Amino acid sequence: AQSVTQLDSQVPVFEEAPVELRCNYSSSVSVYLFWYVQYPNQGLQLLLKYLSGSTLVKGINGFEAEFNKSQTSFHLRKPSVHISDTAEYFCAVRIIQGAQKLVFGQGTRLTINP
Amino acid sequence: DAMVIQNPRYQVTQFGKPVTLSCSQTLNHNVMYWYQQKSSQAPKLLFHYYDKDFNNEADTPDNFQSRRPNTSFCFLDIRSPGLGDAAMYLCATSYLGHSNQPQHFGDGTRLSIL
Repeated sequence: AQSVTQLDSQVPVFEEAPVELRCNYSSSVSVYLFWYVQYPNQGLQLLLKYLSGSTLVKGINGFEAEFNKSQTSFHLRKPSVHISDTAEYFCAVRIIQGAQKLVFGQGTRLTINP
Repeated sequence: DAMVIQNPRYQVTQFGKPVTLSCSQTLNHNVMYWYQQKSSQAPKLLFHYYDKDFNNEADTPDNFQSRRPNTSFCFLDIRSPGLGDAAMYLCATSYLGHSNQPQHFGDGTRLSIL
């Protein structure tokens, strides 16, 4: 079975500061990795995904993430955050073969302070 | 734009009164999912349809049912809602066969139980 751990339930940062949201996963088989963002009272929007190839992936809204196989991590980063980045962020994995079910982490609430 | 649409966005029902939530998609995806998301928690998969094949998660209560009359529509029926069923319900779609494609989410229906 797969599991995802988001190490921080809440991350407060000041506007224009850099941020890193941490994600570690556990799986005995190869997985795809995703970061989703959820704004209040909305569904989940895909930020970025890692499927294969370059371990540094870039997504929307200036976010990027780095896949580290040896540390089984997929941390999300942004060099300079904006007030509009305030949201809940979910890391998720899906096994490559078979069912397309996503396994989510518990989420990290990112709060940007002016 | 191709999308996943959930209606209504907000639904209020009485304790024990059946309720149906709807989801439609214009993506022509062959898999549709229903998730339950409680406050400050990750989405929890209830079940999914691969075409007409229904796949229930082992821990989904019998109180939750689903119908998929055609490719575009999927319904979530809660036969006798309890107070614990108050949550955001998210519909998502994907295309099995394009295994590296992410799930697309609707904006959700927030269900309140009186």
